[in-house]
Amino acid sequence: DAGVTQSPTHLIKTRGQQVTLRCSPKSGHDTVSWYQQALGQGPQFIFQYYEEEERQRGNFPDRFSGHQFPNYSSELNVNALLLGDSALYLCASREGLAGHSGANVLTFGAGSRLTVL
Amino acid sequence: RKEVEQDPGPFNVPEGATVAFNCTYSNSASQSFFWYRQDCRKEPKLLMSVYSSGNEDGRFTAQLNRASQYISLLIRDSKLSDSATYLCVVSLTGGGNKLTFGTGTQLKVEL
Repeated sequence: DAGVTQSPTHLIKTRGQQVTLRCSPKSGHDTVSWYQQALGQGPQFIFQYYEEEERQRGNFPDRFSGHQFPNYSSELNVNALLLGDSALYLCASREGLAGHSGANVLTFGAGSRLTVL
Repeated sequence: RKEVEQDPGPFNVPEGATVAFNCTYSNSASQSFFWYRQDCRKEPKLLMSVYSSGNEDGRFTAQLNRASQYISLLIRDSKLSDSATYLCVVSLTGGGNKLTFGTGTQLKVEL
């Protein structure tokens, strides 16, 4: 059973460029969230997608946008890259939207490591 | 003030030691609490959920004090394989929705 898969695993961009990161959720999962983890920091929530719509958003500028496809896979797009966007971008999936069950938790992918020069 | 605060460490302990990590959170409306483990350059993985009554999973014990907005993790009989970063995590709703992470506490278990 494949877990969450992300691509690419590593990439290097220059300031001002645009980047697209891709995520396939775990089988059976339909909700995808994206997190940014800068070096030495904990992951920070970017946004969550369910039924192809953005459902929650963290404190990130509009340069960060996303999309979810009918097969539940997702993309994260970052425009006008800044040096500070260098980070590990983590995709996480779960089944459904709501619920307080401790068992209904996120499964993280291995991440895409973005370096902006 | 950060939403979730942790001592970044590192905590260097000998094998077999008992080590405790603490965490405080600022939003009293938080409903769900977790400890995640993250190995170097890998993704975070759920270690355990934290319940008000306290809970134990083998050598790991987690405690939650809602009144003090304080979460703890105790690791007994530390193993070399416990070396990792331990992330304190809270959520306003369930564990599958927006998670707020602390910066993590680094643990190094040595021979």
